[in-house]
Amino acid sequence: NSKVIQTPRYLVKGQGQKAKMRCIPEKGHPVVFWYQQNKNNEFKFLINFQNQEVLQQIDMTEKRFSAECPSNSPCSLEIQSSEAGDSALYLCASPDWGGAETLYFGSGTRLTVL
Amino acid sequence: TQTVSQSDAHVTVFEGDSVELRCNYSYGGSIYLSWYIQHHGRGLQFLLKYYSGNPVVQGVNGFKAEFSKSDSSFHLRKASVHWSDSAVYFCAVAGYGSSGNKLIFGIGTLLSVKP
Repeated sequence: NSKVIQTPRYLVKGQGQKAKMRCIPEKGHPVVFWYQQNKNNEFKFLINFQNQEVLQQIDMTEKRFSAECPSNSPCSLEIQSSEAGDSALYLCASPDWGGAETLYFGSGTRLTVL
Repeated sequence: TQTVSQSDAHVTVFEGDSVELRCNYSYGGSIYLSWYIQHHGRGLQFLLKYYSGNPVVQGVNGFKAEFSKSDSSFHLRKASVHWSDSAVYFCAVAGYGSSGNKLIFGIGTLLSVKP
């Protein structure tokens, strides 16, 4: 069973609405990744954190998404103004302690934008 | 250009059959190869990995994969499948030592195991 906990499992929003999802990474792990998996099984890296600092993020994330990993609170990913194309499975992951080439994923948040 | 190709979109077998799920890659330099499984509506679960040494790597639940540099392949195999193995299987490649944002996933192979 995954040690990465994501909530909610399902999220339904209208276009233009905010959509926020949360992730509790593996206990004590300072690094968190967010990925988007679309209906065609294409994965897109969105952003990653080490402790509270953003390490890398893609352009789309910079413009329409906000993400944070506050100390002693769940990490979160929020879409400021949802678009139909944002409908996807959002996956949070902690890397293996031995190397970030292996990721341990949560069950994901399925976002549907109507 | 780094790519991962999973040539079979859907594989159907009967319970107890053996199965091979194919993965071919194109990547320059030292690579790190892995397989993940995704049951319907769930997140990805790590199965196994290879980066050096014995080209045959053992994973969980009887899965194993074999790396071939000459064929640029990392096929996943299981000798006797169970209905619970029905899922989508993803092959992934990254540069060895790279960060997780550099993982490149294939588009997945849906394995259907019939009773």
